[in-house]
Amino acid sequence: AQTVTQSQPEMSVQEAETVTLSCTYDTSESDYYLFWYKQPPSRQMILVIRQEAYKQQNATENRFSVNFQKAAKSFSLKISDSQLGDAAMYFCAYKTTSYDKVIFGPGTSLSVIP
Amino acid sequence: DTEVTQTPKHLVMGMTNKKSLKCEQHMGHRAMYWYKQKAKKPPELMFVYSYEKLSINESVPSRFSPECPNSSLLNLHLHALQPEDSALYLCASSQDTGTDTQYFGPGTRLTVL
Repeated sequence: AQTVTQSQPEMSVQEAETVTLSCTYDTSESDYYLFWYKQPPSRQMILVIRQEAYKQQNATENRFSVNFQKAAKSFSLKISDSQLGDAAMYFCAYKTTSYDKVIFGPGTSLSVIP
Repeated sequence: DTEVTQTPKHLVMGMTNKKSLKCEQHMGHRAMYWYKQKAKKPPELMFVYSYEKLSINESVPSRFSPECPNSSLLNLHLHALQPEDSALYLCASSQDTGTDTQYFGPGTRLTVL
C-alpha cells in the first residue's frame, strides 16, 4: 500500500530565512504525481507545487522548490525568503495514475518568526 | 478562475436532524470529491464522483449520502449524525480523476450536538 510520511510534525523558521520540509513515500508504482499543499489556519487548502515522477527536473514555483529523489522516494519542499504568510500546515501528497485517491501525509505545521 | 465554493460555512445540527452540504465549481471539471478533516489531521477521502457517477466510496457510513445532480454541483446529505462526525468537510474538484491537481473549497465546519 502506498504511504506518505512527514517526519517533522512542527517546524519554525525566521522571517527571510530558508526552511526545508521533508517527505518520504512508499510505492511500487512507476507513474505517479507528488504534491505539496498548504493550509493556513482556518483557511483554504491550496496547491503549492506539483511534481510528475517521470520528470527528472525539480519543480519550482517562485520561492518554493522541491528536491525530488525518485530512487530514495523522497520529496522535500524548500521555502526561500520565508514570509509571515507562509505560516501554515503543509501536507505532502501522492497520487498514482491508476487510482483516483490522493494519499496525504500527516502534515508539518510551519511557524514563521518575525 | 480556480474557485470551488461551499455552503454553508458553518453548520450546527442535532443528531436527529437532516441537513445538506453544497459544493459548486464552474471550471468545467469532471471529477469532484468529498473529504472529512479533523483538526490538525490530513483530509480523509470520503467519496469521488467522475463524470457525475460515484466512482469511490471509502466505506463511509450510510448516514452520509452524496449526490451529484450535474457536473458543476455536488451535495452531501446528512442524517442521524453522531458527535464524532463533527469536522471540517472539504469539497474538491479536478479536470479529471487521472493525473490532475485537485482544487479545494474553503470547507463547511460541521458541529453535531
